[in-house]
Amino acid sequence: QKEVEQNSGPLSVPEGAIASLNCTYSDRVSQSFFWYRQYSGKSPELIMSIYSNGDKEDGRFTAQLNKASQYVSLLIRDSQPSDSATYLCAVTKVKSPFGNEKLTFGTGTRLTIIP
Amino acid sequence: DGGITQSPKYLFRKEGQNVTLSCEQNLNHDAMYWYRQDPGQGLRLIYYSQIVNDFQKGDIAEGYSVSREKKESFPLTVTSAQKNPTAFYLCASRQRGNQPQHFGDGTRLSIL
Repeated sequence: QKEVEQNSGPLSVPEGAIASLNCTYSDRVSQSFFWYRQYSGKSPELIMSIYSNGDKEDGRFTAQLNKASQYVSLLIRDSQPSDSATYLCAVTKVKSPFGNEKLTFGTGTRLTIIP
Repeated sequence: DGGITQSPKYLFRKEGQNVTLSCEQNLNHDAMYWYRQDPGQGLRLIYYSQIVNDFQKGDIAEGYSVSREKKESFPLTVTSAQKNPTAFYLCASRQRGNQPQHFGDGTRLSIL
């Protein structure tokens, strides 16, 4: 089982609709969860961070975390063609101050917004 | 402006040659990372460093080497032992604890 799993897509969503991206993780001690957007040929950019159960909203983006189900999702409301990109889910575990800290990335979901 | 600077943007390697990719950050971040991304693929961790003068191998360290002599700098050398180096290389940094990583703009390495 992969540590972080995402559906690779492609996921096609009509312009103006809600895009829903999902991510599951295997390690229950995971504490920090991030969503990155990566346009083709560019580097990933952070769009959302979430640390506790529930919803976190930022503009058109909402991140949802359910630690009991080991599930994190990203909703994009009023989808725009500029939202077409690959979305990467990343998870980290924080241990001791000099512990083995690194983000584990999923392979990403390719999202296409259809005008 | 605070950020992560990778150079060069494009790099070509001849057979048997070592090349070094530069990564500099002025964010005062403790940890720095190198990833490789192949077309249509996810990120694969090459090396990472959490403090100066210390670094750990990631998932695909063979054929690569790094150094961390200064907090701001984490150069990656792609050695001639790396037989398939053509990829997009990404450097990232983060503060310790529950903080996200931030990425540089990347370096594209190709074989001549």
